[in-house]
Amino acid sequence: KQEVTQIPAALSVPEGENLVLNCSFTDSAIYNLQWFRQDPGKGLTSLLLIQSSQREQTSGRLNASLDKSSGRSTLYIAASQPGDSATYLCAVRPETYKYIFGTGTRLKVLA
Amino acid sequence: DVKVTQSSRYLVKRTGEKVFLECVQDMDHENMFWYRQDPGLGLRLIYFSYDVKMKEKGDIPEGYSVSREKKERFSLILESASTNQTSMYLCASSLSLEEQFFGPGTRLTVL
Repeated sequence: KQEVTQIPAALSVPEGENLVLNCSFTDSAIYNLQWFRQDPGKGLTSLLLIQSSQREQTSGRLNASLDKSSGRSTLYIAASQPGDSATYLCAVRPETYKYIFGTGTRLKVLA
Repeated sequence: DVKVTQSSRYLVKRTGEKVFLECVQDMDHENMFWYRQDPGLGLRLIYFSYDVKMKEKGDIPEGYSVSREKKERFSLILESASTNQTSMYLCASSLSLEEQFFGPGTRLTVL
């Protein structure tokens, strides 16, 4: 059974720091992996989608990598800002329609 | 930009009431999803629809039903609301099971 883990559950960093968020999954048979951002009380905002054949995707200050064989993905945030404070979730899609979500990393960027 | 809207941001209902949550997407996506999100449990799939009038059960369908009469609209129905259905409900859509796009969420409280 596919399981998705995000460690740490919470993280505080000073403004301007580069940081890495981790996502691990137990079964490498995935079609894609998606990173989301969620602000308190709001829905999920899609950040990056990585197909199983890709190694990384970039959008602005965000870079997501995927290593299927080791069951890991990382989300790199460059030059963090207070506005980046949110919960970040990853989700993998196995062969079925059931996306499997991690429980997220709550990020706080201190001004 | 894909837009997914949900009929209410906040909803308060009484135990035993029939509750309708509506979701509309404007990008002609064939796939639509209903999730609930609870602290410590993450996102759990309630129902999935891959076409008009077509549906599949998710991980926690008990106590819920769905309706998809038009491609852009996916409704979640709580036949007889109970207090353990108090939660954040999130709707999502996707094209070909690729990138998922989420609505703003409905915070439902059942008293």
